[in-house]
Amino acid sequence: AQSVTQLDSQVPVFEEAPVELRCNYSSSVSVYLFWYVQYPNQGLQLLLKYLSGSTLVKGINGFEAEFNKSQTSFHLRKPSVHISDTAEYFCAVRQGGSEKLVFGKGTKLTVNP
Amino acid sequence: GAGVSQSPSNKVTEKGKDVELRCDPISGHTALYWYRQSLGQGLEFLIYFQGNSAPDKSGLPSDRFSAERTGGSVSTLTIQRTQQEDSAVYLCASSSRGGNTEAFFGQGTRLTVV
Repeated sequence: AQSVTQLDSQVPVFEEAPVELRCNYSSSVSVYLFWYVQYPNQGLQLLLKYLSGSTLVKGINGFEAEFNKSQTSFHLRKPSVHISDTAEYFCAVRQGGSEKLVFGKGTKLTVNP
Repeated sequence: GAGVSQSPSNKVTEKGKDVELRCDPISGHTALYWYRQSLGQGLEFLIYFQGNSAPDKSGLPSDRFSAERTGGSVSTLTIQRTQQEDSAVYLCASSSRGGNTEAFFGQGTRLTVV
């Protein structure tokens, strides 16, 4: 069964620093990959998704992620974070041929001044 | 409606009581998911409905938990004989058919068992 690992449960960074949130999935069979963000006291919303084509995907709020098939990873990056990026970030995978969406445990990003 | 709607938004119940949580998915969405989000525990998958197929119940933590989806639309998650460890935010999501589609989430129901 497909699984998703987000190795870092919490990531503290200073404002304007770069950040990378890691996501690895278990299967190298064709997959669709998603990152969701949950701001404090809000619901989850889609940040970006990889379906096919270019392995570098750009999302909202300056975030991007790179699909690496050989490493079964889909790490999320932002070159310079803002206080407003403080939120919890969830990686999700849907395996080709299946419609079930599998989520990682989430990474709590805290941006400090 | 335009999005996934969950009710109630907050529910406080006494230990041992039964509760029902409701989810109205986006119209036309064939897939519906229930997740539980506890403090520090991330998103825990509970159950997944896809069209008329048998639901994937592999995430339900005990037989006190059950869910149904009537007419392929509205879903109800029922927790019987609630325990304090059931306190969490219960999230519902729906998506249209197709592996490349995203899931849309409701705002959740915050359940507190006292």
